[in-house]
Amino acid sequence: EDQVTQSPEALRLQEGESSSLNCSYTVSGLRGLFWYRQDPGKGPEFLFTLYSAGEEKEKERLKATLTKKESFLHITAPKPEDSATYLCAVQAPDSSYKLIFGSGTRLLVRP
Amino acid sequence: GAVVSQHPSRVICKSGTSVKIECRSLDFQATTMFWYRQFPKQSLMLMATSNEGSKATYEQGVEKDKFLINHASLTLSTLTVTSAHPEDSSFYICSAIWTSGALLGETQYFGPGTRLLVL
Repeated sequence: EDQVTQSPEALRLQEGESSSLNCSYTVSGLRGLFWYRQDPGKGPEFLFTLYSAGEEKEKERLKATLTKKESFLHITAPKPEDSATYLCAVQAPDSSYKLIFGSGTRLLVRP
Repeated sequence: GAVVSQHPSRVICKSGTSVKIECRSLDFQATTMFWYRQFPKQSLMLMATSNEGSKATYEQGVEKDKFLINHASLTLSTLTVTSAHPEDSSFYICSAIWTSGALLGETQYFGPGTRLLVL
């Protein structure tokens, strides 16, 4: 069964304290792995798409990496405005373009 | 980036009434849109896939007659919650994939969501 698991469920960091969020997946043929950020009461905001093992993408303080079994979202020197829920999703192996979401990691960055 | 809007952002209705939620792609065309619902502190649950000009494909356990989806144009999909009940109260979010001629993107861009409260 295709599945996406994110850890930890919640993470509290001090401003400037770097860390990583994990997304492990089991899917028969990865077509794409997506990272989104969601603020309370809002829709998810697209961050990155990764397609193959070894691929990396960066945006400001965020860097996403991909292996054959998992993806990491590294947050370097986070700021309070980085506080949000980070969602990982993989594209379904069929042609539907459906996304299979993980349960998310709630990140809180304290000043 | 691609912009998706939803209207209304919040709606309160009485039990038994119907509510329509609109999802629009503002700066791109979208042959495929998706509808999700999200309960507090939970992840997104896909309800249905909406394709322009054809019937929506519903996920297992989602009632077709209760959640009516219409995708009449390349920029608009609507979700109608019929005979709403308190248990339908939730956060409804749509997403869209851009289309350009024969090309179809893979990234889903999400709307801001609609908070539905059924009294």
